[in-house]
Amino acid sequence: EAAVTQSPRSKVAVTGGKVTLSCHQTNNHDYMYWYRQDTGHGLRLIHYSYVADSTEKGDIPDGYKASRPSQENFSLILELASLSQTAVYFCASSPGGGDTGQLYFGEGSKLTVL
Amino acid sequence: GQQVQQSPASLVLQEGENAELQCNFSSTATRLQWFYQHPGGRLVSLFYNPSGTKHTGRLTSTTVTNERRSSLHISSSQTTDSGTYFCAIASSNTNKVVFGTGTRLQVLP
Repeated sequence: EAAVTQSPRSKVAVTGGKVTLSCHQTNNHDYMYWYRQDTGHGLRLIHYSYVADSTEKGDIPDGYKASRPSQENFSLILELASLSQTAVYFCASSPGGGDTGQLYFGEGSKLTVL
Repeated sequence: GQQVQQSPASLVLQEGENAELQCNFSSTATRLQWFYQHPGGRLVSLFYNPSGTKHTGRLTSTTVTNERRSSLHISSSQTTDSGTYFCAIASSNTNKVVFGTGTRLQVLP
C-alpha cells in the first residue's frame, strides 16, 4: 500500500501569514498532487508535479505556490493566507499514467485561517 | 478542459436497496478512479477502472470509454455505505486528474 504522509494534520493561521503544508511519499511515485476540498464540495486541483524540481498549475492555482525539491516531497505554500483558503487540503501520489495511474491519498490537512 | 459530472447529487436508500451512481466526462479518459469519502473525510480508493468492468464484494464498476461514462453499482446497501462517492478522471493529453462533483449517499436502517 502506498504511503502518503501529510503535515501538519491541522493548522490555524492568521490572515496574511505564511503557511506551508508538506507531503511525503515513500513509494517512488513520479506524480504528486495537491487538492483542496471545501465543506460539502468536491476536490479541486491546485498544483501537481510529475518530476522533481518541476511543478504544474492545476485548476485553481491562484494564491498558492508549490515546491517539489525531491521525488518524495511536495509542498504547498500560501505566502499570504486569506480567509477564503480555509479548507481541507489533500495530497496524492501516483506511479504514472495509463494503467499505472491510480491515486493514493494522504489523510488530509485541515487549515483554518482567522 | 475535462468536465466531470456525477449523478445523482444525492441519494437516500433503505438498507438492502441497490444504488447506481453515474459519472460522465467530456473527453476520453485514460485514467478513471472511484473513491469513497468517509463522513470524517478520509478518502478510500474503490476502483481504478479506465475501461471494462471490475467487481469487489458488493461493488461493481463499469466504464464504457468510447461513451465517456462510468457507473458504480452498490448492491444490498448497508448503513456503513453512507458517505460521498467521487469519480476522478485524467484525459489522454494531460496529467491532470480532475474530480467529479460527487454523489452523497445516505442509507437508512
